[in-house]
Amino acid sequence: GIQVEQSPPDLILQEGANSTLRCNFSDSVNNLQWFHQNPWGQLINLFYIPSGTKQNGRLSATTVATERYSLLYISSSQTTDSGVYFCAVPTQGGSEKLVFGKGMKLTVNP
Amino acid sequence: DAGVIQSPRHEVTEMGQEVTLRCKPISGHNSLFWYRQTMMRGLELLIYFNNNVPIDDSGMPEDRFSAKMPNASFSTLKIQPSEPRDSAVYFCASSSTRGDTQYFGPGTRLTVL
Repeated sequence: GIQVEQSPPDLILQEGANSTLRCNFSDSVNNLQWFHQNPWGQLINLFYIPSGTKQNGRLSATTVATERYSLLYISSSQTTDSGVYFCAVPTQGGSEKLVFGKGMKLTVNP
Repeated sequence: DAGVIQSPRHEVTEMGQEVTLRCKPISGHNSLFWYRQTMMRGLELLIYFNNNVPIDDSGMPEDRFSAKMPNASFSTLKIQPSEPRDSAVYFCASSSTRGDTQYFGPGTRLTVL
């Protein structure tokens, strides 16, 4: 099945710093979603981004489907950005079944 | 909108007992998903429904697990009998159309002693 790899696995930042999270996937996809799991366990959908670039405030995401990767940018990080970031892709084209990466734990210190 | 609602939020039970987790998807959403999250296995899909019909249950670990969706606004995940290795956080998610953004509920933290 499709493989999803995220890097780096862990990242510690000072408040105000910028960061880039990477998600690589092993096969063509028509859908990619980024999620943030906060320290209380809630999973929030950040982006639905099969291709191209989207921005939402300090966060933006770019997916290059032909090269099988996606990037999540966090600018001017805040302590509330702490948590685990997941990317997820369908197991196969057109499927609703998502495969999640192992996640990237971000800690933003004040 | 109230978002995806799950109950209970926490459940502690003893091995061998039956456990029923409940989910109310976002109104108007046609797809519903049950996930399990553990440290060892991460987030894994157990089963999903489209228009109340189970589409893929290949992630259900064994016959002790069953899920139903009797109508568009309610789903249950049942474990009978429960075992300590079932301890995990169980999430329900819904989406409006096939392949669309998935919205997660707050999860149910299950502990089986």
